[in-house]
Amino acid sequence: KAGVTQTPRYLIKTRGQQVTLSCSPISGHRSVSWYQQTPGQGLQFLFEYFSETQRNKGNFPGRFSGRQFSNSRSEMNVSTLELGDSALYLCASSLVQTGELFFGEGSRLTVL
Amino acid sequence: KNQVEQSPQSLIILEGKNCTLQCNYTVSPFSNLRWYKQDTGRGPVSLTIMTFSENTKSNGRYTATLDADTKQSSLHITASQLSDSASYICVVTPNYGGSQGNLIFGKGTKLSVKP
Repeated sequence: KAGVTQTPRYLIKTRGQQVTLSCSPISGHRSVSWYQQTPGQGLQFLFEYFSETQRNKGNFPGRFSGRQFSNSRSEMNVSTLELGDSALYLCASSLVQTGELFFGEGSRLTVL
Repeated sequence: KNQVEQSPQSLIILEGKNCTLQCNYTVSPFSNLRWYKQDTGRGPVSLTIMTFSENTKSNGRYTATLDADTKQSSLHITASQLSDSASYICVVTPNYGGSQGNLIFGKGTKLSVKP
């Protein structure tokens, strides 16, 4: 069974640009959540999607947005990038019944 | 406020030695507690998951314990290997569960195993 796939794995952007990250969940998983991970801060919850609907949103500015498609694939977008947005962005999928998170390898974003 | 505190922040041990990582939480009541292993630059991988009624759970050389009375969990690694070098993250699910946004994450313990 294929795991959670995130693309791209690495990307470099400059301040003010915008970025879109993609996440393909494990087949059959309809819940997808996104996290930002920076050194010393641990994983910070961004948002969760289930059946194309945003179920919950973390404490991040409106520059961070996401969506989920009918095939459960999800994207997150960050507009007007700031230096502080440099981080590892992790996507996780789960079955609603168990809630166990299965993480992708992450997208490493560097903002210059 | 629901919190998960992990200690130590970082730890260096010699290959072959045992070590124990700590996780203290204030989340109550809670549904389950999980330990994840995260290699550098990779996504976290689940090691163990324990419900509030379980005391111990093993996964190979990894053994997690849970004391719901003191609100403490520990992850014991036996006969450490170089591949155990990673960050270990403790995650608690509150009883009101539901969304993944309700999970409480610790900041992790960074373990380095030296030859």
